[in-house]
Amino acid sequence: GQSLEQPSEVTAVEGAIVQINCTYQTSGFYGLSWYQQHDGGAPTFLSYNALDGLEETGRFSSFLSRSDSYGYLLLQELQMKDSASYFCAVRDRGNTPLVFGKGTRLSVIA
Amino acid sequence: EAQVTQNPRYLITVTGKKLTVTCSQNMNHEYMSWYRQDPGLGLRQIYYSMNVEVTDKGDVPEGYKVSRKEKRNFPLILESPSPNQTSLYFCASSYSSGGNQPQHFGDGTRLSIL
Repeated sequence: GQSLEQPSEVTAVEGAIVQINCTYQTSGFYGLSWYQQHDGGAPTFLSYNALDGLEETGRFSSFLSRSDSYGYLLLQELQMKDSASYFCAVRDRGNTPLVFGKGTRLSVIA
Repeated sequence: EAQVTQNPRYLITVTGKKLTVTCSQNMNHEYMSWYRQDPGLGLRQIYYSMNVEVTDKGDVPEGYKVSRKEKRNFPLILESPSPNQTSLYFCASSYSSGGNQPQHFGDGTRLSIL
């Protein structure tokens, strides 16, 4: 089976940079995804990493190290609207369910 | 507008009264799935479907049924709901089950079973 570990809560100041880590254990590996969920809302897709390295999309970046079974989501120039829960998710091979971590609740404070 | 539509959004019902939560997507996606979300437990998959007439159990299938008679629809059926099925439910779809395919989620259905 698969398991994912990520911090339950993170607090950061508006304008700062925050990193949300995710470690995973899977029998295989078919990529690491990140989703954002605001309170009362649905999860929305942020990024996907299949290969080692950093993927940048605007203020958000996602990193993957397959040898360390580790990834992170980096949020820069934090804004109040970034306060949300962030989930990492993995699939251990094709045509299998996506498994989500328990989520990290990010609170951005002034 | 591309979307996943769930109904109802909210439901309060009683133990044992069969209910169905509908899910429909208009993106011609092959892959659909149901999740439940509970505080501290994240998103847990109930059932998923790779295509029409193909369904498989996820991590927490007990007490639920699904069907996939048409590509666009993937209803979740609780034959005899119990209080431990009180939860927030999300339907999701994606073009395929490939890892790089983002899942599109519905707005959620909050079920309370008394």
